[in-house]
Amino acid sequence: GQQLNQSPQSMFIQEGEDVSMNCTSSSIFNTWLWYKQDPGEGPVLLIALYKAGELTSNGRLTAQFGITRKDSFLNISASIPSDVGIYFCAGHAFTSGTYKYIFGTGTRLKVLA
Amino acid sequence: DSGVTQTPKHLITATGQRVTLRCSPRSGDLSVYWYQQSLDQGLQFLIQYYNGEERAKGNILERFSAQQFPDLHSELNLSSLELGDSALYFCASSSTQNTEAFFGQGTRLTVV
Repeated sequence: GQQLNQSPQSMFIQEGEDVSMNCTSSSIFNTWLWYKQDPGEGPVLLIALYKAGELTSNGRLTAQFGITRKDSFLNISASIPSDVGIYFCAGHAFTSGTYKYIFGTGTRLKVLA
Repeated sequence: DSGVTQTPKHLITATGQRVTLRCSPRSGDLSVYWYQQSLDQGLQFLIQYYNGEERAKGNILERFSAQQFPDLHSELNLSSLELGDSALYFCASSSTQNTEAFFGQGTRLTVV
């Protein structure tokens, strides 16, 4: 199925380091969302972005909606062990007469204490 | 707690069988989405309903079907189950068709 490309696929970082991940698409989206999924749990919404160029923060998390509307990035500052998990981006668009959510391939984050 | 409730949490069944997964959306949400997540994979969109009507279809197999009832809860029916259908099945809901979606805890289906 159609998916967004996320990079990196996985990363190991030291506690306290900043993390950056991004999501790209060949299609334009109207909304970008970032979710975090813990093992065996459902994805939890972290940040929602609604306008091109929008920069939004949620605690140590900052995300931006790309100007071209085809990409988004998520930054995590001063990472802590509980940041471990899979981070998914999701693009939302109205195409072919219907709204669709398309999810990225995920970035697996592991934090070394 | 996202407010989206999925039952059952776990399900083990044999190949060839049929199962029904249930989802209760957040109070007031009209839109329900179903996703499949195989082991260590991303989320594959299956189907979306809005206020009782099917609105979008993804890579949903013909053996699978879903519906949304007047009280807005939704059911995903999986029939003639195969080993490859083993996965986590998530339901998500949103207030309208173009607002952020919130996910349930998922149903882990194991086909043996």
